[in-house]
Amino acid sequence: DAGVTQSPTHLIKTRGQHVTLRCSPISGHKSVSWYQQVLGQGPQFIFQYYEKEERGRGNFPDRFSARQFPNYSSELNVNALLLGDSALYLCASSQGQARTNEKLFFGSGTQLSVL
Amino acid sequence: AQTVTQSQPEMSVQEAETVTLSCTYDTSESDYYLFWYKQPPSRQMILVIRQEAYKQQNATENRFSVNFQKAAKSFSLKISDSQLGDAAMYFCEGVNRDDKIIFGKGTRLHILP
Repeated sequence: DAGVTQSPTHLIKTRGQHVTLRCSPISGHKSVSWYQQVLGQGPQFIFQYYEKEERGRGNFPDRFSARQFPNYSSELNVNALLLGDSALYLCASSQGQARTNEKLFFGSGTQLSVL
Repeated sequence: AQTVTQSQPEMSVQEAETVTLSCTYDTSESDYYLFWYKQPPSRQMILVIRQEAYKQQNATENRFSVNFQKAAKSFSLKISDSQLGDAAMYFCEGVNRDDKIIFGKGTRLHILP
């Protein structure tokens, strides 16, 4: 079985542009979470989606949005990119919703560079 | 508010020796969950071990074990018989009952052959 897959692996954008990152969860997993990891820091929680509905949101501006599709894959969208959005974006999937009871499986991330 | 502090930016250990990574999780809540994750150069976060705050027994997974001292807010990870493949960034994470999530800044572990 394939693990969590993210695309693209690397991306370069300029300030003000928009970006879409994609994530495919492990087959059978219904929850997808997104994290931002700035260089030298731990991951920061952005969103969780379960059964196509937003179930959790971290402290990020409205420029960040996401959605989950009927096949449980997910997209993270960031509008009006800032230099500070440069980071590794990680996606994780799990079978159920509750973060505390579920083992998360992570993808290898998308490295976004904003110039 | 909750905070996670990893006070050791880097650590080194000789292969086959034992090393302990420190983490403190400060929260006003009594019920929460703590996790240690490993992030190798591939960047993929891998769950190492999980501890429920209400359990007095410390979690163990093969060569990995935790020392959870709830009153001291301490959640340290002990790696026994260190192997070259253990070299990675290690992140401590706290999750409360409302699924509010916070990670520490990480500890880079070097394994010396």
